[in-house]
Amino acid sequence: GAVVSQHPSWVICKSGTSVKIECRSLDFQATTMFWYRQFPKQSLMLMATSNEGSKATYEQGVEKDKFLINHASLTLSTLTVTSAHPEDSSFYICSARVGQGDGTQYFGPGTRLLVL
Amino acid sequence: DAKTTQPPSMDCAEGRAANLPCNHSTISGNEYVYWYRQIHSQGPQYIIHGLKNNETNEMASLIITEDRKSSTLILPHATLRDTAVYYCIVKQGANNLFFGTGTRLTVIP
Repeated sequence: GAVVSQHPSWVICKSGTSVKIECRSLDFQATTMFWYRQFPKQSLMLMATSNEGSKATYEQGVEKDKFLINHASLTLSTLTVTSAHPEDSSFYICSARVGQGDGTQYFGPGTRLLVL
Repeated sequence: DAKTTQPPSMDCAEGRAANLPCNHSTISGNEYVYWYRQIHSQGPQYIIHGLKNNETNEMASLIITEDRKSSTLILPHATLRDTAVYYCIVKQGANNLFFGTGTRLTVIP
């Protein structure tokens, strides 16, 4: 149980294009999902918290207009990197929290984005 | 949430127990200790969590000291597939998970 999937697993795009990444909780409903970014040889950095049916909460320094988050259902959250640039190349990982409050978070396998 | 301190790296012989320490001296009474691991180029994998009592599941055991200022994750019989970065995270309630630098465990044949 508690499986989280991401799609696509990797994507290569040209600079200036937008890329959408999907995060799905496969066997549970997730009121809250999270988006992280990880650069090579660094730890995971939380980008934003996504709540079903409401606006996402972004961490300091993360541009909300560049990283659009939509959490339209209890099993799906999407992250769209708008007008991607080479510096946005990174490993993007989502997680979903089981239940409410202090439920355990389970992570997706990640999406590797390369912007040329 | 309280900060955690972990050794940057450890080695363990295959088949032996891997004991990964974590210090969280400023932990408060309602904060849980979570352990995740990240195998290269994958998303983090949940291992175990606990509040006060020791915990065991099919993956590992978590030993929390009586004063709760430190804990140890034990992998009873390490295999090569256990090579990963292990993160000890202290979290209160609905707060988010914040990842530190973790311990890079290398299991040696």
